[in-house]
Amino acid sequence: DTGVSQDPRHKITKRGQNVTFRCDPISEHNRLYWYRQTLGQGPEFLTYFQNEAQLEKSRLLSDRFSAERPKGSFSTLEIQRTEQGDSAMYLCASSLVLTEAFFGQGTRLTVV
Amino acid sequence: SQQGEEDPQALSIQEGENATMNCSYKTSINNLQWYRQNSGRGLVHLILIRSNEREKHSGRLRVTLDTSKKSSSLLITASRAADTASYFCATLSGAGSYQLTFGKGTKLSVIP
Repeated sequence: DTGVSQDPRHKITKRGQNVTFRCDPISEHNRLYWYRQTLGQGPEFLTYFQNEAQLEKSRLLSDRFSAERPKGSFSTLEIQRTEQGDSAMYLCASSLVLTEAFFGQGTRLTVV
Repeated sequence: SQQGEEDPQALSIQEGENATMNCSYKTSINNLQWYRQNSGRGLVHLILIRSNEREKHSGRLRVTLDTSKKSSSLLITASRAADTASYFCATLSGAGSYQLTFGKGTKLSVIP
């Protein structure tokens, strides 16, 4: 197992476009988290899944953000009608219940 | 939203000295975790301490947890230049949520 992988590593998009990121967790992990991180800040919780069920979604997450985890395997995070304020590093992590999380290298989004 | 608050925000020490970082949190937790992040990279898990534990060691790392004060500390002994990174505490909330929430981090610089 090569750990958590995220794709793409970098994404530049024009304001108003939609973007989708993919996360492949460690295969036996049933929990999958999405975070957003801006420069100098800690990871900000967006949402998490246990298997295929989305258990919690941050109140800070607007309706433009949606995440899925079909069949409890990989997950996608979509941002519709991107805004400049969406520019950030998007981090994915996976874990077993009540254990430490393993993070991917992140997807850096730049909205121009 | 971010539950943890690390203190100090930045710390600069000489190689060989000890570094202590503190974390305070607000709500009940199942466990508390510490992570390291090198500039522009993903987060790496360092140590996990459960709510019924008071102290834990891993190599040059020592973590304490005081649930009555809702606080934790991370001690790095005999620091090395390679320890230069940002350090984050993260709390896994209690039953019914199990959300992993990060603080804003402490930026540690170890001067050779």
